[in-house]
Amino acid sequence: GESVGLHLPTLSVQEGDNSIINCAYSNSASDYFIWYKQESGKGPQFIIDIRSNMDKRQGQRVTVLLNKTVKHLSLQIAATQPGDSAVYFCAEDPLGGGADGLTFGKGTHLIIQP
Amino acid sequence: DTEVTQTPKHLVMGMTNKKSLKCEQHMGHRAMYWYKQKAKKPPELMFVYSYEKLSINESVPSRFSPECPNSSLLNLHLHALQPEDSALYLCASSQVHRGVLDGYTFGSGTRLTVV
Repeated sequence: GESVGLHLPTLSVQEGDNSIINCAYSNSASDYFIWYKQESGKGPQFIIDIRSNMDKRQGQRVTVLLNKTVKHLSLQIAATQPGDSAVYFCAEDPLGGGADGLTFGKGTHLIIQP
Repeated sequence: DTEVTQTPKHLVMGMTNKKSLKCEQHMGHRAMYWYKQKAKKPPELMFVYSYEKLSINESVPSRFSPECPNSSLLNLHLHALQPEDSALYLCASSQVHRGVLDGYTFGSGTRLTVV
């Protein structure tokens, strides 16, 4: 299940199941969104991205959905594997197309149970 | 080469020390960034360089001094840090004028401990 509080929100799923990680973003003018995976002791690793003129984009085992009406982003991971265990961050680029830097969401710790 | 390389990977420094963090990329990216990440928190933007000029400083204390000597290198000079500055420092790069779905590339970070 998912818990939110002083600690990083955690999502625990069984190996082989699908997982959905959600993110609410703050700036309705944001034009570009990225999902990153971060393993312990490493930097953020790009997973998938999407522009505001799209509502869905698919990659290998991953799908990103964007709902601009409610400023919501989700990452779906199909057939989760032990290597998917990590912290997942959504990030928004407020202006898109320029060197503005990213604003990251709080992150979700995904735990894959064997 | 599609990587951002950060050195050192780990650094322990005293509050009176002066040290520097280094970042290098050879992807032709003309925008480079410094982020700070505390444990169990998201990365927070510190500085942005665009065409080797500082374009964004997110109200970072002056004990952190960035430098971009050329289009491939980014340094972060540290002086008189406090224990609360202990964190993972991440470097990233991107194109300045990003096309559709051109993203940002992050390094693995420098784990800094201030004692």
